[in-house]
Amino acid sequence: DIQMTQSPSSVSASVGDRVTITCRASQGVGGWLGWSQQKAGKAPKLLIYATSTLESGVPSRFSGRGSETLFTLTIDNLQPEDFATYYCYQANSFPWTFGQGTRVE
Amino acid sequence: QVYLAESGGGVVQSGKSLRLSCVAAGFTFSNYGFHWVRQAPGKGLEWVAAIYYDGIKKEHADSVKGRFTISKDNSKNMVYLQMDSLRVEDTAIYYCAKWGDNRALKWGQGTLVTVSS
Repeated sequence: DIQMTQSPSSVSASVGDRVTITCRASQGVGGWLGWSQQKAGKAPKLLIYATSTLESGVPSRFSGRGSETLFTLTIDNLQPEDFATYYCYQANSFPWTFGQGTRVE
Repeated sequence: QVYLAESGGGVVQSGKSLRLSCVAAGFTFSNYGFHWVRQAPGKGLEWVAAIYYDGIKKEHADSVKGRFTISKDNSKNMVYLQMDSLRVEDTAIYYCAKWGDNRALKWGQGTLVTVSS
C-alpha cells in the first residue's frame, strides 16, 4: 500500500497568512493526488484533484502542485472559513490512501 | 450539481449485518463509479471500497475484505455497502463519494454506524 504522510500535523496561523501543507507518498503516484477540507462535525469537501485542478466553486487562494512523491497545498491570504483539517489522498492505485490530516488553527 | 445522501446507519451488535445506501443525483449515474470511505470517531479518513462505473469491477480494503461488499444499481441511482460480521472497530461515519473525472472524490454527508459489543 502507498503511505501518505502529511506535514505538519497542525499549524497555527492568522487571517491573511500563507499556509503550505506538504504531502509525501511512499512511492510515486503520478499526478493522482487530491486534497479535501473538513470542518468540525462536517463531511469532507473536495478542494483540488489531479494535483492542481481546483474544484468548481473553490476560491483561487487554494492551489496545489507537485508530482510523484511530493505535493503541496498552499492557501494564500488565509480566511476565517479556512480554519479546518486538510487531507491529501492518492488515487494512483488501490487501496486509495489518505494522509493523516493537517489541522489549520 | 452532485448530490449524494447516505442512509442506513445506526447501532448494531457485533457480528450482525447492516446495509448502507447512497442515493445520487445531478449527474448521469451509470457513467460513474463510487467509493465508500469511513472515519472512526476522532480519527482520519480510511478508504473502504470502490466500484467501477459498470458495477462489475470492485475493490475492497483488506480490513473489510470478505465482510463488506459494495454494489450499485444503475436503475435506481443507488450505491450500497453491505456490511456483515461487523466488529467494534468498524464504528465510524461512512461517506459515499463519487469517483469523478480525473479521480476527483466528491463526498456525501455521511451516516454513522456504531457497533456495540
